[in-house]
Amino acid sequence: GQNIDQPTEMTATEGAIVQINCTYQTSGFNGLFWYQQHAGEAPTFLSYNVLDGLEEKGRFSSFLSRSKGYSYLLLKELQMKDSASYLCACMDSNYQLIWGAGTKLIIKP
Amino acid sequence: GAVVSQHPSWVICKSGTSVKIECRSLDFQATTMFWYRQFPKQSLMLMATSNEGSKATYEQGVEKDKFLINHASLTLSTLTVTSAHPEDSSFYICSASDRGRGESQPQHFGDGTRLSIL
Repeated sequence: GQNIDQPTEMTATEGAIVQINCTYQTSGFNGLFWYQQHAGEAPTFLSYNVLDGLEEKGRFSSFLSRSKGYSYLLLKELQMKDSASYLCACMDSNYQLIWGAGTKLIIKP
Repeated sequence: GAVVSQHPSWVICKSGTSVKIECRSLDFQATTMFWYRQFPKQSLMLMATSNEGSKATYEQGVEKDKFLINHASLTLSTLTVTSAHPEDSSFYICSASDRGRGESQPQHFGDGTRLSIL
């Protein structure tokens, strides 16, 4: 079956760095997406990886290892506004998105 | 680019009422749109995939007669919750991707509709 695993909740300190991991098993692979969702709001697109390696976009970076079925989202210089859920989603061979349950990130002062 | 508009953002109505939610792609054509539901503190659940000019594809356990989807144009999909009851109260979110740019384009979400049935 298809499966996406990510931690349920993480806590980090303002100004620090946090890494949110995601492992996946899907029928085929056409890329991995990370989304941010603030409480009560719709998800917003953060990043897309289809090739191995690190994609950097400002304070956020996303890494992919296809051979390991593994990705992480790295958030640097954490700000209070980064408190949100972070959703990992994989696109399978039929270009269907398989969603993880999300990681709730709590930022403490 | 790739802006998706959804409205209304909030609906409160009596049990038994039917509610229509609209989802529009503003700056691209979307042959496929997606409808999700999210209960408080739970993950996104895909309800159905809306296909322009054809019938929607519903996920297992989603009643197609309860949740009517119409995708009459390349920029508009509607979800109608028929005879809504309190258990239908939820956060409904639509999304679309600009597949004219390729199959692996990200889904972009509307702002969601918070539905409360009294």
